[in-house]
Amino acid sequence: QLQLQESGPGLVKPSETLSLTCTVSGDSISSRYYYWGWFRQPPGKGLEWIGSIYYSGTAYYSPSLKSRVTISVDTSTNQFSLKLSSVTAADTTVYYCARVRNYYGVDVWGQGTTVTVSS
Amino acid sequence: SYELTQPPSVSVSPGQTASITCSGDTLGDKYASWYQQRPGQSPVLVIYQDTKRPSGIPERLSGSSSGNTATLTISGTQAMDEAEYYCQAWDSSTVVFGGGTKLTVL
Repeated sequence: QLQLQESGPGLVKPSETLSLTCTVSGDSISSRYYYWGWFRQPPGKGLEWIGSIYYSGTAYYSPSLKSRVTISVDTSTNQFSLKLSSVTAADTTVYYCARVRNYYGVDVWGQGTTVTVSS
Repeated sequence: SYELTQPPSVSVSPGQTASITCSGDTLGDKYASWYQQRPGQSPVLVIYQDTKRPSGIPERLSGSSSGNTATLTISGTQAMDEAEYYCQAWDSSTVVFGGGTKLTVL
């Protein structure tokens, strides 16, 4: 059974870089049918897509976050990662990693991890 | 940027039918997906490609599309259906979500 698990610091200082890793188990991240995505959801608010990456390294980013986001993939460890630079309090939210099949849906989600931006 | 519009809230009595709409320019040319999110939980895909249900999703959840509006319909609504529902579509390789609809089962 496919599972995704987010990991990383729960507290990041303003202006620093937020780094999260998603570990995929139960399937290969090199599957040609899927992208692997990062999403976030501020407390009490809606879902926001951050970006998605294919196992080859091809990545797509949200236009509103593109200047600050880098998503990378490591097929040897079956992981993909998110880096969000120059964080502010507005980046305090729950971050999810998930499996994405374009034009089908986001069919498997991690449990989410809360990141707080504070000094 | 592309936008999807949902009503903020919908209320329904147990056993009745609830409909949640999602509208967007040229949505009729795209596929819509729907997600259910209960409090404190991760989203769950309940409808993809406008009308298809993933395995394990009850038949009383159904999707449809007409013009530039996609609709999620929940028949015979149960208390367990009370949740936030999000529509989602792709626009030029970017993922776009609607603002979400809180379904309240009265």
